[in-house]
Amino acid sequence: AQKVTQAQTEISVVEKEDVTLDCVYETRDTTYYLFWYKQPPSGELVFLIRRNSFDEQNEISGRYSWNFQKSTSSFNFTITASQVVDSAVYFCALNSNYQLIWGAGTKLIIKP
Amino acid sequence: EPEVTQTPSHQVTQMGQEVILRCVPISNHLYFYWYRQILGQKVEFLVSFYNNEISEKSEIFDDQFSVERPDGSNFTLKIRSTKLEDSAMYFCASSERGPNYGYTFGSGTRLTVV
Repeated sequence: AQKVTQAQTEISVVEKEDVTLDCVYETRDTTYYLFWYKQPPSGELVFLIRRNSFDEQNEISGRYSWNFQKSTSSFNFTITASQVVDSAVYFCALNSNYQLIWGAGTKLIIKP
Repeated sequence: EPEVTQTPSHQVTQMGQEVILRCVPISNHLYFYWYRQILGQKVEFLVSFYNNEISEKSEIFDDQFSVERPDGSNFTLKIRSTKLEDSAMYFCASSERGPNYGYTFGSGTRLTVV
């Protein structure tokens, strides 16, 4: 079965701290794609990153970085030097056929 | 940057009424999707649409739901007889080269069934 687990329901940190959001997935596919989306309080879904199963290189984009570990079926997301504007719900998702399988989301609260 | 546009942003309807949610995908995209998110819960897949037909649909997408691309630009989701449990945020998404390449989501339509 295809499944995405985000075990952290809510994380609260003080601004400028680093924070890591965990994502563990299950799939029987040999080729698959993983995604992270951000949902700010305004409600829209904002694409952050796509990673295919053959590319295990970590990726960094400004203060954001992603750690893909196929051996542990994890695709974790780290925000360095967090800011209040990072407060949002973050979703990890797995592509399966024509649909995305979503995790339950992690609500990230950044306190000033 | 190209956008997926959804209208209306918020719709209130009475239980049992039909509702049509509208979406204008990005113009050169070929794959279209509807997802929904009940308040505070995870995002759920409803249906995917390619080449003028449904590619895949979930168990949620029963006979009460239908999709249409009536004029080559709009992509609509119709709920024939709304129930209270249909209250949710409905997101339209489109993709140029298929689901593996990521989607662009619209800003959503909040449907409230009373």
